[in-house]
Amino acid sequence: AQKVTQAQTEISVVEKEDVTLDCVYETRDTTYYLFWYKQPPSGELVFLIRRNSFDEQNEISGRYSWNFQKSTSSFNFTITASQVVDSAVYFCALSGSNQGGKLIFGQGTELSVKP
Amino acid sequence: KAGVTQTPRYLIKTRGQQVTLSCSPISGHRSVSWYQQTPGQGLQFLFEYFSETQRNKGNFPGRFSGRQFSNSRSEMNVSTLELGDSALYLCASSLSPPGQSLNYGYTFGSGTRLTVV
Repeated sequence: AQKVTQAQTEISVVEKEDVTLDCVYETRDTTYYLFWYKQPPSGELVFLIRRNSFDEQNEISGRYSWNFQKSTSSFNFTITASQVVDSAVYFCALSGSNQGGKLIFGQGTELSVKP
Repeated sequence: KAGVTQTPRYLIKTRGQQVTLSCSPISGHRSVSWYQQTPGQGLQFLFEYFSETQRNKGNFPGRFSGRQFSNSRSEMNVSTLELGDSALYLCASSLSPPGQSLNYGYTFGSGTRLTVV
């Protein structure tokens, strides 16, 4: 069975603080994909990153960075110098190579960045 | 370039009624997926269509159905609505067939918020 766990339900930080959102996954597939999406109050899921199981390189995109560790089945997301506009719900998702396009989502972490 | 368009944005229905939600994918995208989002269950996969054929289905009762048209637009239908069907229904489209779509990712629409009273 596939499962994604985001243990942090809510996080509140003050602007300019760094914040890390945790994601732990379970899968028996050897080939799989991991995703992070952002959901602002408007509702749509905004794609942030996709990582396949063979690529463990960490990635940095501006203030965003992702740490993928297969040994601990984790795919954590860090926002450096957070801003109020980062306030949203963030979802980690998993899809196995045999699942077609089906995404298994975590429960989400609601991030609140206060000025 | 227009994104994924879902209509209507908001809908209020009465228990027992049926409802049809519409999704227009990004031009050129042929895969369309549907998800249900509720506070209790989170985001759950409903089904996926490609070339007018359902390619994948989640664990939902038969009251939930969908279809895809030749222009890739998709509709989902929920019959005999229950209070628990109140949710945000999200549609996503991808450029590739389901087996390859993960290489390109999915673009989501803003959703239809359905309230059943």
